[in-house]
Amino acid sequence: NAGVMQNPRHLVRRRGQEARLRCSPMKGHSHVYWYRQLPEEGLKFMVYLQKENIIDESGMPKERFSAEFPKEGPSILRIQQVVRGDSAAYFCASSDSQSSYEQYFGPGTRLTVT
Amino acid sequence: AQSVSQHNHHVILSEAASLELGCNYSYGGTVNLFWYVQYPGQHLQLLLKYFSGDPLVKGIKGFEAEFIKSKFSFNLRKPSVQWSDTAEYFCAVKSYNNNDMRFGAGTRLTVKP
Repeated sequence: NAGVMQNPRHLVRRRGQEARLRCSPMKGHSHVYWYRQLPEEGLKFMVYLQKENIIDESGMPKERFSAEFPKEGPSILRIQQVVRGDSAAYFCASSDSQSSYEQYFGPGTRLTVT
Repeated sequence: AQSVSQHNHHVILSEAASLELGCNYSYGGTVNLFWYVQYPGQHLQLLLKYFSGDPLVKGIKGFEAEFIKSKFSFNLRKPSVQWSDTAEYFCAVKSYNNNDMRFGAGTRLTVKP
């Protein structure tokens, strides 16, 4: 039973480029959460999505960041016009609809902006 | 706004020593509490969780945590650590009423053989 998958594991982008991070939840899970981990800091909640809906995006920066979870395919976290401050590890977690208190994490994508 | 504080950034112990990692949170409502572990090069894994009932929670690999409501604390303990416990440990708090899970900054544990 595959766990949460994220790709790529490492992503290098130059300032001004776009970064697209993908997350495939565990089989049977329809809830996805994105977190960002900056160096020496804990994980910070960004956004919570269900299929085709953004439920809570209170942790998302107002500009350049967007997320989607289409009916088919993985959830995508998109960062436009990246800046050096976007360099971080981005983690995705998923849960099922019956016990949404427990989240299962993916391995993360480490984004480096040069 | 709710927040989570982990008091120690880096703890170094010898094998067989006892471990206690502190976690305090600030939130007045009903919460769910978690400890996650991240072994080197691996993703976060759930170590244990508290939802309700007995405030002393047993987790995997001999870990336990005690929820003390009056102190807003959920400290992680293990009586005798092993070299394989070397990892980063994150305390997390989720409000019963919303989707926002807050994590502490993490405590890096190094166990010397």
